[in-house]
Amino acid sequence: EDQVTQSPEALRLQEGESSSLNCSYTVSGLRGLFWYRQDPGKGPEFLFTLYSAGEEKEKERLKATLTKKESFLHITAPKPEDSATYLCAVQARGRSGGSNYKLTFGKGTLLTVNP
Amino acid sequence: GAVVSQHPSWVICKSGTSVKIECRSLDFQATTMFWYRQFPKQSLMLMATSNEGSKATYEQGVEKDKFLINHASLTLSTLTVTSAHPEDSSFYICSASRTRSAETQYFGPGTRLLVL
Repeated sequence: EDQVTQSPEALRLQEGESSSLNCSYTVSGLRGLFWYRQDPGKGPEFLFTLYSAGEEKEKERLKATLTKKESFLHITAPKPEDSATYLCAVQARGRSGGSNYKLTFGKGTLLTVNP
Repeated sequence: GAVVSQHPSWVICKSGTSVKIECRSLDFQATTMFWYRQFPKQSLMLMATSNEGSKATYEQGVEKDKFLINHASLTLSTLTVTSAHPEDSSFYICSASRTRSAETQYFGPGTRLLVL
């Protein structure tokens, strides 16, 4: 069974204080690892997809990296508007029957950035 | 862009009634749509996957006769919670993908359901 564990559960930062969020995963053949941002009472907003170890992607103050066992979401000089829950999800390679391309989500990291 | 809408955004109903939630892809054709449920401080749990024109595939433990899913067109999927009970109260979120392989899923804003 695919599993995703995110840490820490919650993280408080001062504005400008850089840090990283962790996503550890076990999956029988990774097809893709996804990062989403979710604001309270809203649906997840797509951020990145990573497909293979060593891959990196950047968007504004966010940078996502991937190894064979985990992914990191680095936040550089965060601002209060970066406060949200960040979700990590994995998609396994196709298998017979069922939902071949479903995402398995972690519980998320609640990030709070204080001004 | 890839915009997905849901309607209604919140609904309160009496126990025993049925509730229909719509999910629409506004600016792309969604070959595959997914329905998730999220409880407070919990991760998104996939309920079912639907491909346009096909019967939905339900995850283990999800009652297909209680959660009816219809994906009649490439831009619309509906989830009907039949004979709702208080334990069905949750945040229901749909997502849509352009392809069956679902490389990227785009999520709707969610529907908050409260069953009294």
